[in-house]
Amino acid sequence: DVKVTQSSRYLVKRTGEKVFLECVQDMDHENMFWYRQDPGLGLRLIYFSYDVKMKEKGDIPEGYSVSREKKERFSLILESASTNQTSMYLCASSFSAGGSRGEQYFGPGTRLTVT
Amino acid sequence: GEDVEQSLFLSVREGDSSVINCTYTDSSSTYLYWYKQEPGAGLQLLTYIFSNMDMKQDQRLTVLLNKKDKHLSLRIADTQTGDSAIYFCAESMEYGNKLVFGAGTILRVKS
Repeated sequence: DVKVTQSSRYLVKRTGEKVFLECVQDMDHENMFWYRQDPGLGLRLIYFSYDVKMKEKGDIPEGYSVSREKKERFSLILESASTNQTSMYLCASSFSAGGSRGEQYFGPGTRLTVT
Repeated sequence: GEDVEQSLFLSVREGDSSVINCTYTDSSSTYLYWYKQEPGAGLQLLTYIFSNMDMKQDQRLTVLLNKKDKHLSLRIADTQTGDSAIYFCAESMEYGNKLVFGAGTILRVKS
């Protein structure tokens, strides 16, 4: 079974703090993704990575950065947390499209509250 | 542009069938997916359908695809209280490895 784990289920941070969200997958997937989920808006893609040290902006990258130093690990960084970044953050991974159906496997999510 | 639309809420009685609908815009999508999200959890892949198929059945789940109308539906037979969750429709993009998700349909099952 594919396993995607996220470092925290719940996190409370103060405005202006630097926040790190970690994601690890154990299936040797090339692709990894960070989404945020807000009621009524569904999942919005923040960043994704298709290889080590490679990253591409998603639909809402402002205020976020990412790091992928190892294939199994993808980190989301909030350089200076703001209250409008209070959300559920979901990490996902998948094989490259050429050799698979492209389905993504999700972690359990991190509910971040910025006060 | 890419857009996937779903109705936001569906309420059914236990034992009835549920039908969740979705429309998508990218006619070149190779696969379309249904994901389920239970409270406080991540998304779990329920089923998928290849774009050259019209229908796929998997136990209580039936997926119907109308490519002409770009319409996808998920039917859950004999709906149980454990089926209460948010259901997301998603389409694969022609290039790259991204999926585009709908906003999700909240399914509430009343006993």
